[in-house]
Amino acid sequence: DGGITQSPKYLFRKEGQNVTLSCEQNLNHDAMYWYRQDPGQGLRLIYYSQIVNDFQKGDIAEGYSVSREKKESFPLTVTSAQKNPTAFYLCASSDRGQNGYTFGSGTRLTVV
Amino acid sequence: QKEVEQNSGPLSVPEGAIASLNCTYSDRGSQSFFWYRQYSGKSPELIMFIYSNGDKEDGRFTAQLNKASQYVSLLIRDSQPSDSATYLCAVPLGGGYNKLIFGAGTRLAVHP
Repeated sequence: DGGITQSPKYLFRKEGQNVTLSCEQNLNHDAMYWYRQDPGQGLRLIYYSQIVNDFQKGDIAEGYSVSREKKESFPLTVTSAQKNPTAFYLCASSDRGQNGYTFGSGTRLTVV
Repeated sequence: QKEVEQNSGPLSVPEGAIASLNCTYSDRGSQSFFWYRQYSGKSPELIMFIYSNGDKEDGRFTAQLNKASQYVSLLIRDSQPSDSATYLCAVPLGGGYNKLIFGAGTRLAVHP
């Protein structure tokens, strides 16, 4: 079955550490997105990519980095520059039509 | 800044009643509108989308769009306790891949 796989489901980060969240899709979608969700709040866009080897900053890109070397993969790195990284991170993908997003199951990141 | 506004709730309705969820958006050029359901701790799932003025029905769900008033709503008939979740309204910014802007969501509680 086609879908989006995010891993790990839970991730713990120590102060000053970089961590990478994985997102893989087999839907043959061109576009991929990373959102952050804080408790009781909506989704805020971190980065998005419409094509391989190209990506754009969203509303809250500071302290994050991404790569898009393959169509299927869009990993997100949370760097030590992100001072408040504890949140629920969601990866999504979409095709060229107006069909909305398909979301992965999310990664819950906690700073310890 | 283009915005999507929702009442955060909680909206509490008895089992079997109609739940009415509302969303307003600021961009008059928006062409498509999406409703996602998000259970606590889970990722959003697409339940309805609507492009044209008027009503669109899918089972117990009806989406209503009024572009002149920049207003989209979601009605849930015969509400069930399993409908208890947060409902997110999303509007694309435009362009070929429809980068979505999400409202903060309305929390619905259906009590027996």
